[in-house]
Amino acid sequence: DIVMTQSPDSLAVSLGERATINCKSSQSLLYSSNNKNYLAWYQHKPGQPPKLLIYWASTRESGVPDRFSGSGSGTDFTLTISSLQAEDVAVYYCQQYYSTVPFTFGPGTKVDIK
Amino acid sequence: QVQLVQSGAEVKKPGASVKVSCKASGYTLTSYALHWVRQAPGQRLEWMGWINDGNGNTKYSQKFQGRITITRDTSASTDYMELSSLRSEDTAVYYCARSENYGSGGYYFDYWGQGTLVSVSS
Repeated sequence: DIVMTQSPDSLAVSLGERATINCKSSQSLLYSSNNKNYLAWYQHKPGQPPKLLIYWASTRESGVPDRFSGSGSGTDFTLTISSLQAEDVAVYYCQQYYSTVPFTFGPGTKVDIK
Repeated sequence: QVQLVQSGAEVKKPGASVKVSCKASGYTLTSYALHWVRQAPGQRLEWMGWINDGNGNTKYSQKFQGRITITRDTSASTDYMELSSLRSEDTAVYYCARSENYGSGGYYFDYWGQGTLVSVSS
């Protein structure tokens, strides 16, 4: 199985400041034939289902604010919230879909307001 | 609009089985795959299995092999996940989630059901 790790476990950022979350996979998620990284990011708030933010490592889902961006390739990826808003308080998960069985998620990073 | 609506909360005793439904609307069920993901208290999201296309092909995580069955009722636009031999560690919120069908590579989950709490306790 591909193991996903995230850092930090949690972070507190002032409103309007940048939040950066890192995700690392135990093997490369870059498929050479199409040059795509098989990684997605989700936002998860209590009592709600997870929400897709980013797929193919850097493609923003329709309707997601442009303060959310994804970057990275191979085994190292980053989710950046450029200017944290109050509604961004949540747990963020990365997920690999390079290996189909099983798909695996990171442990999550909790984002709070400082 | 796309919606996935799951059945309600369940309370089960150890050793029993549970069957959770996920009714799709706003799209053609057979045009997408449907996954089951769970989250136990304090744990990360955990993928359990998926069902693809109109043929109902399924793949399961090795962790749940032998205990999980995912089925599809195309006429009712509803998928089902049945988990047997329940134990206390199966207490979790269970989600259904949609992705592109097998073969496309786009296996990220763009729509999710609201979640179903399954509690296992004697």
